[in-house]
Amino acid sequence: DVKVTQSSRYLVKRTGEKVFLECVQDMDHENMFWYRQDPGLGLRLIYFSYDVKMKEKGDIPEGYSVSREKKERFSLILESASTNQTSMYLCASSLRLAGYEQYFGPGTRLTVT
Amino acid sequence: KNEVEQSPQNLTAQEGEFITINCSYSVGISALHWLQQHPGGGIVSLFMLSSGKKKHGRLIATINIQEKHSSLHITASHPRDSAVYICAVTGQGAQKLVFGQGTRLTINP
Repeated sequence: DVKVTQSSRYLVKRTGEKVFLECVQDMDHENMFWYRQDPGLGLRLIYFSYDVKMKEKGDIPEGYSVSREKKERFSLILESASTNQTSMYLCASSLRLAGYEQYFGPGTRLTVT
Repeated sequence: KNEVEQSPQNLTAQEGEFITINCSYSVGISALHWLQQHPGGGIVSLFMLSSGKKKHGRLIATINIQEKHSSLHITASHPRDSAVYICAVTGQGAQKLVFGQGTRLTINP
């Protein structure tokens, strides 16, 4: 079974802090994704990565950056957290890009105060 | 108009009822996904299909490519089926999933 883990289930940070969200997958998947999920807006793609050190912007990349130094690990970075980044953050991975199942992590509920 | 529309947005039913959730999309696709999200966050992929019909236990997913429409059916529904069900599509040649807003299903005992 594919396992996608995220470093924290709940996180509370202050405005202006630098925040790191970590995601690890154990199935040698090429592709990894970061989404945020907000009530009424559904899931929105922040960034994705199709290879080590490769990344592409999703639909809402502003205020975020990512890092993929190893195939199994994909980090989401909030350089200076703001209250409008309070959200549920979900990581996912897939073997290939188009037409393959995505496997999701349990999510991190981030609150920025 | 969203590229992926689900209906209904909310559905409450009694245990044992037959459930149907609908998904319509406006773009050509290479695959359609049905996902399940229980309270607490985790999302599980239920089905990925590009034609016809798939069945897994009490869940059945169908797709009509010509009509750009898919349905998720649950037979003999149970309270543990209570969750948000999300439809998502991969556009032809696209790299990303496009998600519907989700349908919140509540099954009462």
